[in-house]
Amino acid sequence: GENVEQHPSTLSVQEGDSAVIKCTYSDSASNYFPWYKQELGKGPQLIIDIRSNVGEKKDQRIAVTLNKTAKHFSLHITETQPEDSAVYFCAARTREVTFGIGTKLQVIP
Amino acid sequence: DSGVTQTPKHLITATGQRVTLRCSPRSGDLSVYWYQQSLDQGLQFLIHYYNGEERAKGNILERFSAQQFPDLHSELNLSSLELGDSALYFCASSVEGTAGYTFGSGTRLTVV
Repeated sequence: GENVEQHPSTLSVQEGDSAVIKCTYSDSASNYFPWYKQELGKGPQLIIDIRSNVGEKKDQRIAVTLNKTAKHFSLHITETQPEDSAVYFCAARTREVTFGIGTKLQVIP
Repeated sequence: DSGVTQTPKHLITATGQRVTLRCSPRSGDLSVYWYQQSLDQGLQFLIHYYNGEERAKGNILERFSAQQFPDLHSELNLSSLELGDSALYFCASSVEGTAGYTFGSGTRLTVV
């Protein structure tokens, strides 16, 4: 089955700086790559996604990139704000979605 | 409110007991997925139902079972509970098996 590796496991940045989270996947049949944000006490919330026929997608301060050849995809958050502090999960889907282990992002005011 | 409703929010029970977790998917979504989230294991896929039929099983123990009813709500049954079953259990739904998921707020199960 699919295996998704995510790093770093924790990330601390100063407010206003950028944050980058990187993931790799194993199954070349994966065709959909969502990213989720989970705040304390809540369920994961989809924040952005990218399909395998697209190399990059941007939504305001959030961007995702996908390198199908290398089986890498990344989340970029620019101009970080304290409310960006949360756990972020990358995921890859063949039939069902397989999640990475999560990255705890702390934005320091 | 994501539109996916999970009940109860919290559940405390003793080892050896059986519990039922309930999930109502977002209106119009035919697929329901169950995930288990523990501190050291991340989000682990348990099972997927589509329009009442089981579509896929993940790392679901034989002590666990699920079903999806004609009104599309789903129940996850956990029996012979062990301390290690303590975790957050999430339900997610999607329009079809290939779309992004919408998660509920989860049920926190504590086995004592």
